[in-house]
Amino acid sequence: DTGVSQDPRHKITKRGQNVTFRCDPISEHNRLYWYRQTLGQGPEFLTYFQNEAQLEKSRLLSDRFSAERPKGSFSTLEIQRTEQGDSAMYLCASLASGRVIDTQYFGPGTRLTVL
Amino acid sequence: AQSVTQLDSQVPVFEEAPVELRCNYSSSVSVYLFWYVQYPNQGLQLLLKYLSGSTLVESINGFEAEFNKSQTSFHLRKPSVHISDTAEYFCAVSDGGAQKLVFGQGTRLTINP
Repeated sequence: DTGVSQDPRHKITKRGQNVTFRCDPISEHNRLYWYRQTLGQGPEFLTYFQNEAQLEKSRLLSDRFSAERPKGSFSTLEIQRTEQGDSAMYLCASLASGRVIDTQYFGPGTRLTVL
Repeated sequence: AQSVTQLDSQVPVFEEAPVELRCNYSSSVSVYLFWYVQYPNQGLQLLLKYLSGSTLVESINGFEAEFNKSQTSFHLRKPSVHISDTAEYFCAVSDGGAQKLVFGQGTRLTINP
């Protein structure tokens, strides 16, 4: 069990550029979550997948954001036409659903800075 | 909708002193409560959780939290803190369906020698 990994750890981009982040969950975890954390705030839910199906999206996820989990393993989060307000830490978490409630395991996050 | 309020954004304490980090939640359904810790430059780690059963839950490093349904609270306590406990602590609630977490704003615990 190598834990949840995220790549890159840091991304600096100019306003208007597109960025893509990757998350590799714990193997055999069928649920994968994306959260966003801005400075001084707790993480906020963005979206989640069960296997390859995206089951819920937050209102925070504007049309510029898209997430995929094509084979039910790793996931990508893309932000198009980045804005300065997109600067934040993007967190990925996974869990093995099957029991009623389980623990979400978080990755180290990708810190995005939009100049 | 669920929400979580952490009443203190920062809590400074002296080493070996007791500490309480306060968390109140609101929910119209059954709740499952979590405390996560974020050490400097690290990711979120689960500290402890309440799912059912005993309302007092403990972590391996001496923290405990008590689920109080009438007060809608899940305060985190430690009788004697160490420098290594310096971190940001997040309280979170899950509804058990999608199991998405709703987090509070976080409490920064600073330990002074």
